Amino acid sequence: DGGITQSPKYLFRKEGQNVTLSCEQNLNHDAMYWYRQDPGQGLRLIYYSQIVNDFQKGDIAEGYSVSREKKESFPLTVTSAQKNPTAFYLCASSIGQRETPKNIQYFGAGTRLSVL
Amino acid sequence: AQTVTQSQPEMSVQEAETVTLSCTYDTSENNYYLFWYKQPPSRQMILVIRQEAYKQQNATENRFSVNFQKAAKSFSLKISDSQLGDTAMYFCAFMKHSPHATIIFGKGTRLHILP
Repeated sequence: DGGITQSPKYLFRKEGQNVTLSCEQNLNHDAMYWYRQDPGQGLRLIYYSQIVNDFQKGDIAEGYSVSREKKESFPLTVTSAQKNPTAFYLCASSIGQRETPKNIQYFGAGTRLSVL
Repeated sequence: AQTVTQSQPEMSVQEAETVTLSCTYDTSENNYYLFWYKQPPSRQMILVIRQEAYKQQNATENRFSVNFQKAAKSFSLKISDSQLGDTAMYFCAFMKHSPHATIIFGKGTRLHILP
């Protein structure tokens, strides 16, 4: 089936530890996105990537890092610098920068990150 | 800066009734897209409906329709004949194009459909 796979579904982080959230898509989409969702906050953009080997900071990039070595994959690392990492993280993808009605973002099922 | 405001944090309606969720946005762009996404208890984000700003005709998808008022920067979602499966968080979203095509989400409206 075509879609976006996020893993793991649940993740626990110890103090001072870096953790990496996985996002893989087989939709042949150029663009990929990471969002953070907190209660009452809606979704906020962390990082996004329009093409392989390129990515841009979103609104709340501090304490996070990403890479885009393959078109299908856009992993997010939550570093120890992120002091409040507990949240629900959503990955999305879209066909890219073309300004057409088809440039819709499709979402994975999310990863719930908690701090031990 | 573009913003999206959903003024109703939570709503409840009886099954089979019609409900309207409000959304306003602020932008200086002339061409953009607007979306309503649904997030059920499973937390999977699902696209409900989209509207291109250059189209005057309101978008419809089965029981879901929008009232798009460009001058007022208003984009409300109407759900007709509501069903229990419509219970979810609903997010209004605006796609901006500069510097890249990214989406700004509102804070959401939690909708409860009561049996």
